[in-house]
Amino acid sequence: DTGVSQNPRHKITKRGQNVTFRCDPISEHNRLYWYRQTLGQGPEFLTYFQNEAQLEKSRLLSDRFSAERPKGSFSTLEIQRTEQGDSAMYLCASSFARVEEQYFGPGTRLTVT
Amino acid sequence: AQSVTQLDSQVPVFEEAPVELRCNYSSSVSVYLFWYVQYPNQGLQLLLKYLSGSTLVKGINGFEAEFNKSQTSFHLRKPSVHISDTAEYFCAVSANNAGKSTFGDGTTLTVKP
Repeated sequence: DTGVSQNPRHKITKRGQNVTFRCDPISEHNRLYWYRQTLGQGPEFLTYFQNEAQLEKSRLLSDRFSAERPKGSFSTLEIQRTEQGDSAMYLCASSFARVEEQYFGPGTRLTVT
Repeated sequence: AQSVTQLDSQVPVFEEAPVELRCNYSSSVSVYLFWYVQYPNQGLQLLLKYLSGSTLVKGINGFEAEFNKSQTSFHLRKPSVHISDTAEYFCAVSANNAGKSTFGDGTTLTVKP
């Protein structure tokens, strides 16, 4: 069990550029979650998948954000036309369906300049 | 919808003293409750969880929490803290089988020698 991994760990980009993050969950977990965490706040739910199906997407997620989990394994989160307000830590977590304990990855810290 | 309020943003305490981190939640349905710990530049690690059964839950590193349904609280306690317990602590709630978790804004525990 290697845990949840996320790449890259840090990303600095200029406003207006597109960025993509990757999350590899624990292999036997069929649920995968994306959260965003800004300084001084708790993680904020963005979206989650059960296998390859995206079951819920936060209303806070603008159309510039898209997530995929094409084969029910790893997932990618893409942000198009980044804005300074997108600067945050992006956390990925995974779990078994019907068991709510989530295992978190180390996060990807995005800085938009 | 669920919400979580962590009543103290910062808790300073001396080493070997007891500590309580307070968490209140609101929900119109039955919930699961969690406490996570986050060390600097790391992801979240589960300390303990309440799913059902006994209202006193024991977790890792000597922490425990008590679920109080009438007061909608889930306070975290440790009888004697160590320097290594210095970290950010998050309370979270998840509606049964809803998938996503809703987090509080965190409590910074600082253990002083």
